[in-house]
Amino acid sequence: GDSVTQMEGPVTLSEEAFLTINCTYTATGYPSLFWYVQYPGEGLQLLLKATKADDKGSNKGFEATYRKETTSFHLEKGSVQVSDSAVYFCALSEKGGSEKLVFGKGTKLTVNP
Amino acid sequence: GAVVSQHPSRVICKSGTSVKIECRSLDFQATTMFWYRQFPKQSLMLMATSNEGSKATYEQGVEKDKFLINHASLTLSTLTVTSAHPEDSSFYICSARAQDGSYEQYFGPGTRLTVT
Repeated sequence: GDSVTQMEGPVTLSEEAFLTINCTYTATGYPSLFWYVQYPGEGLQLLLKATKADDKGSNKGFEATYRKETTSFHLEKGSVQVSDSAVYFCALSEKGGSEKLVFGKGTKLTVNP
Repeated sequence: GAVVSQHPSRVICKSGTSVKIECRSLDFQATTMFWYRQFPKQSLMLMATSNEGSKATYEQGVEKDKFLINHASLTLSTLTVTSAHPEDSSFYICSARAQDGSYEQYFGPGTRLTVT
């Protein structure tokens, strides 16, 4: 079945450091790909998404490019802030988000001042 | 907009009792809601898809008689854990799917269930 593998955490960075969280997927079809973020005490929020190969999703300085050839959707940010501290989940959906989401295990990011 | 709430946020119950968790879409209507379970350091696992006015669709391996789901209105879905046991202790998260054509899922903050 479909699956998502993302980099094990936790990840600890200093403010203004470069962030990469790796995510690869296995799917039978052509999924849509998502990054969700969960801030402490809150529900998951959609951070960005890409629905087809070579699409780049971006939001709040975060970016991820849908790479079909490497089945990857790595999350990047050039300069993290303390407020980016959260748990990040990579996910896929086979039907553009209308059907069920398959999640990775989550990566906890802590950014220190 | 697009806020989903869950109640309670935390619950402790004794083994053998039943617990009901509510999921509400506060400012939008949702014909479809999803229930997930999250174990420590694990990903969210979909338990069931809840459709307003019809029976829920359960994922393989999820006992429908143990995890009763009711979606009686466009803004409320409930998950009842019946005859709870310690192994049911977990973090339960719901999401509601928007009807605006985006199909985006909006997530609740989760409910921590502890069965003693």
